[in-house]
Amino acid sequence: ETGVTQTPRHLVMGMTNKKSLKCEQHLGHNAMYWYKQSAKKPLELMFVYNFKEQTENNSVPSRFSPECPNSSHLFLHLHTLQPEDSALYLCASSQDFQGNQPQHFGDGTRLSIL
Amino acid sequence: ILNVEQSPQSLHVQEGDSTNFTCSFPSSNFYALHWYRWETAKSPEALFVMTLNGDEKKKGRISATLNTKEGYSYLYIKGSQPEDSATYLCAFPYNQGGKLIFGQGTELSVKP
Repeated sequence: ETGVTQTPRHLVMGMTNKKSLKCEQHLGHNAMYWYKQSAKKPLELMFVYNFKEQTENNSVPSRFSPECPNSSHLFLHLHTLQPEDSALYLCASSQDFQGNQPQHFGDGTRLSIL
Repeated sequence: ILNVEQSPQSLHVQEGDSTNFTCSFPSSNFYALHWYRWETAKSPEALFVMTLNGDEKKKGRISATLNTKEGYSYLYIKGSQPEDSATYLCAFPYNQGGKLIFGQGTELSVKP
């Protein structure tokens, strides 16, 4: 139990569907992150929220839309995804947006686009 | 663009063997270096965050060293056990913030 919970664990969707990934952290952290891991590639940062404000958008296509209603919850809204978006999506949190703090990860959502 | 390299990509050892692998990172403007362990079907788990040149950190049978001047860190596992089988990731913060640049990882397999 890492204190970061992601739902769902697995998601299969068509290219025209709309779905959302959810992340919740119970650690009292102020920074939350979305990462993507595609096969044979390093973990890649997508978005960062610090104190509910988006501080980083790593050139992510607009078909991915993040939302952070409070410091404990983070969503990733998905719309008209492409087959190449099939990947593992990980959420993480850290105390603050500082590079010397460890990040705590959820178990991820395995996304498959048909 | 920051580049974080890990070697080897994969490693197969026998139970009881000691092993080590490398993370290379940009040596200029060093701030911190992270190590994570990622077991299959679980979440990545932070092992160490290292900030000082020459620092050595230890957690059980796992230890890590840091050379910021030449831009590398070693992770050592003494007396590997099957439960050490995992992918070991290192990561380098971009501009001192929480934006981590990850290496490809070293996949360790320990056979009983």
